[in-house]
Amino acid sequence: ETGVTQTPRHLVMGMTNKKSLKCEQHLGHNAMYWYKQSAKKPLELMFVYNFKEQTENNSVPSRFSPECPNSSHLFLHLHTLQPEDSALYLCASSQGRRGARTDTQYFGPGTRLTVL
Amino acid sequence: AQKVTQAQTEISVVEKEDVTLDCVYETRDTTYYLFWYKQPPSGELVFLIRRNSFDEQNEISGRYSWNFQKSTSSFNFTITASQVVDSAVYFCASLGETSGSRLTFGEGTQLTVNP
Repeated sequence: ETGVTQTPRHLVMGMTNKKSLKCEQHLGHNAMYWYKQSAKKPLELMFVYNFKEQTENNSVPSRFSPECPNSSHLFLHLHTLQPEDSALYLCASSQGRRGARTDTQYFGPGTRLTVL
Repeated sequence: AQKVTQAQTEISVVEKEDVTLDCVYETRDTTYYLFWYKQPPSGELVFLIRRNSFDEQNEISGRYSWNFQKSTSSFNFTITASQVVDSAVYFCASLGETSGSRLTFGEGTQLTVNP
């Protein structure tokens, strides 16, 4: 099931570039998430949006800026990144009923980011 | 806070062998949820199963089965008659009623099924 799509699938950028990652979900969900997966580390939750409002920011540096214009789309704007930001960035979505945060999360294929 | 431990970093088996992936969790929540995800080389995390803490019934889905035991805080995953296509990284995860949307993942087990 390709319920959650992400573009681009691969991205190489320099430290001075500005780029954006895009996530779109086709599941009718209302909650969306950004995760970072680095080599040799567990997945790290970055941001959570529920009904377009940011509900969690897991102490993410300001060089990562999320945007959720509607319940189906989620962006991650990147600027002045560091080489250690190279990772797989995964987007997920869940039902997101108000007051209920324990719904199953469904993931996209990820964007493999390399910062030179 | 939640913690998930997958002690097996890598497992290698020959096709048609059965294999069990271990998962041990820690939680202070009375109500919590446990998950297994599969991550093939393509990168996408594929949802496999969700169990609620108040339902210890084991589950079987085709060649997959899950053994949930609250007494040992374990949620193990068995693949019967493994196939090459089962090769992937498998993640166990937990979500507690007090942890918001914070899904806690284990470090994953790399399963390689050789022909």
